[in-house]
Amino acid sequence: QKEVEQDPGPLSVPEGAIVSLNCTYSNSAFQYFMWYRQYSRKGPELLMYTYSSGNKEDGRFTAQVDKSSKYISLFIRDSQPSDSATYLCAMSAVPAGNKLTFGGGTRVLVKP
Amino acid sequence: GAGVSQSPSNKVTEKGKDVELRCDPISGHTALYWYRQSLGQGLEFLIYFQGNSAPDKSGLPSDRFSAERTGGSVSTLTIQRTQQEDSAVYLCASSLGFLGSGDTQYFGPGTRLTVL
Repeated sequence: QKEVEQDPGPLSVPEGAIVSLNCTYSNSAFQYFMWYRQYSRKGPELLMYTYSSGNKEDGRFTAQVDKSSKYISLFIRDSQPSDSATYLCAMSAVPAGNKLTFGGGTRVLVKP
Repeated sequence: GAGVSQSPSNKVTEKGKDVELRCDPISGHTALYWYRQSLGQGLEFLIYFQGNSAPDKSGLPSDRFSAERTGGSVSTLTIQRTQQEDSAVYLCASSLGFLGSGDTQYFGPGTRLTVL
């Protein structure tokens, strides 16, 4: 079993809908949680970075972390066709200078 | 400013050949990472360099894989005697490397390696 599990999708939604993504993990040492967006044939780019449990909001994006359930979520409000990409969750046990453990990624398609 | 750059963008090689992949990190970033992204395996950590410290090689899949970082900047990932299962996208990332919350890893576009 992988340390971080993520539904591969694809997840297809109409433009303007809320996109809901999530990951589960097994390693209780993970303290730092990230969401990356990756367009086809491009490198991942960081969307959200959160520490421990709680919520964080940035524009149309909201990240939630529930450490008691080992479950993290990303919500995208008012989705746009430009949000069509693969979304990767990533985690680490230390804040910096260490490897990230990634989920397998969820492919999202926002239809106009 | 310029982001992380990688070369070549695509590499096709024959089984058994050696390949070298190059990464130019963001100027001023002391930490450099190599990851591999393949179908069915997702993004996997390979190796991490931080300043002048010994690299963390814990993710290298076999002794055919090696990496070096010269002058604390450019890094080269070498795969010897390539196998078909080495076919993947090899991603490099760099970060400031400070020991505080929020040290973001910035990724390059990757090198797509195909072993025939």
